[in-house]
Amino acid sequence: NAGVTQTPKFQVLKTGQSMTLQCAQDMNHEYMSWYRQDPGMGLRLIHYSVGAGITDQGEVPNGYNVSRSTTEDFPLRLLSAAPSQTSVYFCASSSEKFTGELFFGEGSRLTVL
Amino acid sequence: LAKTTQPISMDSYEGQEVNITCSHNNIATNDYITWYQQFPSQGPRFIIQGYKTKVTNEVASLFIPADRKSSTLSLPRVSLSDTAVYYCLVGDGPKWNAGNMLTFGGGTRLMVKP
Repeated sequence: NAGVTQTPKFQVLKTGQSMTLQCAQDMNHEYMSWYRQDPGMGLRLIHYSVGAGITDQGEVPNGYNVSRSTTEDFPLRLLSAAPSQTSVYFCASSSEKFTGELFFGEGSRLTVL
Repeated sequence: LAKTTQPISMDSYEGQEVNITCSHNNIATNDYITWYQQFPSQGPRFIIQGYKTKVTNEVASLFIPADRKSSTLSLPRVSLSDTAVYYCLVGDGPKWNAGNMLTFGGGTRLMVKP
């Protein structure tokens, strides 16, 4: 079982560049979300989705866009990267049936120079 | 979402039982208590979830007193591989992760020594 798959695992960008972090899950989960984790800190929610076509902002949404065209995919877009967006990004999915257990991907480490 | 407070770090030795306590004084009636484990360079992994009293699985036990204002994660006979960050989260049941500003906080860094 693949679970939650994130690509790329590592990425280096220059300030102002754009990129998309990909997230795919094969568990038919309704809920998907993106978090960022800065060194020595916990995870902060960026955006989340409760189903295809439905997204909303989390705690730290500025500088990021998301879309949910299918149940499986939930890409995170950085339109104009800034050094403050240097972080490790985690995608997670869950189903209401599992009473809130989140399944996380392995993370994508992004460095913005 | 109820705010949680945990110790920043703890040290233990192999074979000992480790208890990590989490305070959540403003827990709501519908809130569940969930613990996650995170190893370096990996995403968090679900450990255990409970609502009241005691819950036990193959990995850990979760103790919740009657007032539910705190909870204790118990790891029996830890090994070096249990060195990780442990997060306590509180949310209102099945929909708690559907936009309730889920907050992991800083967690508790457990270091298991030989």
